[in-house]
Amino acid sequence: DTEVTQTPKHLVMGMTNKKSLKCEQHMGHRAMYWYKQKAKKPPELMFVYSYEKLSINESVPSRFSPECPNSSLLNLHLHALQPEDSALYLCASSQGQADYGYTFGSGTRLTVV
Amino acid sequence: KNEVEQSPQNLTAQEGEFITINCSYSVGISALHWLQQHPGGGIVSLFMLSSGKKKHGRLIATINIQEKHSSLHITASHPRDSAVYICAVRGRSGGGADGLTFGKGTHLIIQP
Repeated sequence: DTEVTQTPKHLVMGMTNKKSLKCEQHMGHRAMYWYKQKAKKPPELMFVYSYEKLSINESVPSRFSPECPNSSLLNLHLHALQPEDSALYLCASSQGQADYGYTFGSGTRLTVV
Repeated sequence: KNEVEQSPQNLTAQEGEFITINCSYSVGISALHWLQQHPGGGIVSLFMLSSGKKKHGRLIATINIQEKHSSLHITASHPRDSAVYICAVRGRSGGGADGLTFGKGTHLIIQP
């Protein structure tokens, strides 16, 4: 299995809802990442997990809460989002060493109404 | 923080043409990635480079570490190559579990 699987592919949520995005990989990668991409913009790093521990938080608002239950799974919990949080949320994984490449998921298209 | 510049931002070419996309960055890196993204879609990793040159099918990527510059070439371009091509760099902070810094992307359209 050489893929990063993200679910759901599309999500519409109200500003008072609580929802979660899920990311899964079975390549034995030790680093996992959340990126946010607005339309026609490059992705922006949100969080990095290394060996299941949060190693980088790029000053992301607390309404986004990451969780890494095990080495294969990464969640992003969403609560009280704003319409401007609507974006494509991309998950990626890597071996966590500079010599190794990244594998990206196909993303979750989130719309906040 | 690394600044990653790509050129051109938009490129329209005819099928069969040789395509070059350029990327420059401001601070030393551990690796540079070339990525492809189709409209509304996820990202596919094309190459990871830390030195020299790599080739995969009709795609060739080169990097000059001293000049902090990389190029992506597409030979015999085809309409299915139409996509956004993104250059992204990984810092030298060590540990390896570093996020990528992305360029703004090059929107490539290949016309039949």
